[in-house]
Amino acid sequence: ETGVTQTPRHLVMGMTNKKSLKCEQHLGHNAMYWYKQSAKKPLELMFVYNFKEQTENNSVPSRFSPECPNSSHLFLHLHTLQPEDSALYLCASSRDRPFSGNTIYFGEGSWLTVV
Amino acid sequence: RKEVEQDPGPFNVPEGATVAFNCTYSNSASQSFFWYRQDCRKEPKLLMSVYSSGNEDGRFTAQLNRASQYISLLIRDSKLSDSATYLCVVTRNTGGFKTIFGAGTRLFVKA
Repeated sequence: ETGVTQTPRHLVMGMTNKKSLKCEQHLGHNAMYWYKQSAKKPLELMFVYNFKEQTENNSVPSRFSPECPNSSHLFLHLHTLQPEDSALYLCASSRDRPFSGNTIYFGEGSWLTVV
Repeated sequence: RKEVEQDPGPFNVPEGATVAFNCTYSNSASQSFFWYRQDCRKEPKLLMSVYSSGNEDGRFTAQLNRASQYISLLIRDSKLSDSATYLCVVTRNTGGFKTIFGAGTRLFVKA
């Protein structure tokens, strides 16, 4: 059982829809991340939050909007997506200071299909 | 050139075989190294960290060669359950901490 839970696990949305992905971590971690994984490509880091403050945005289009109300919860708001945004979106967390070599724990991911 | 490169495979091996994966990294400032495992349609999970002296965990052995800038993963006595994608992960602290994932190497272990 993962300490990072994501909902929904699967989502199909139209290009004009607005939806949100939710992530919750039960590990007491201070850093949380959104990654995108497309077929046959490396994981792409999208956003990083440390103590609920955004510390990194890797040139992600504004149609993806993250929200981190506290250290345990992370949202990814989706609006007017494109078919090429279809991918597996993975939430992750680590104990502290992002990318300091701490183990990264991933949620099971949200499979997104944009039609 | 990607900062972390892996042979995508797939590697198709019979049960009981020994298989090795290499991963090269281009930034000499890289500090920490890991192997993650990702099962089909599942999330990545840490398999093992890679230490300079090399380390072993059961049938799995990881090694680091800083001079040549590569890490390796050796799996002995392969099991069907070892079938997965193995991700090489490298972290560095240059202009901020960064974690870079390789694209992964797919392994299929056949009966």
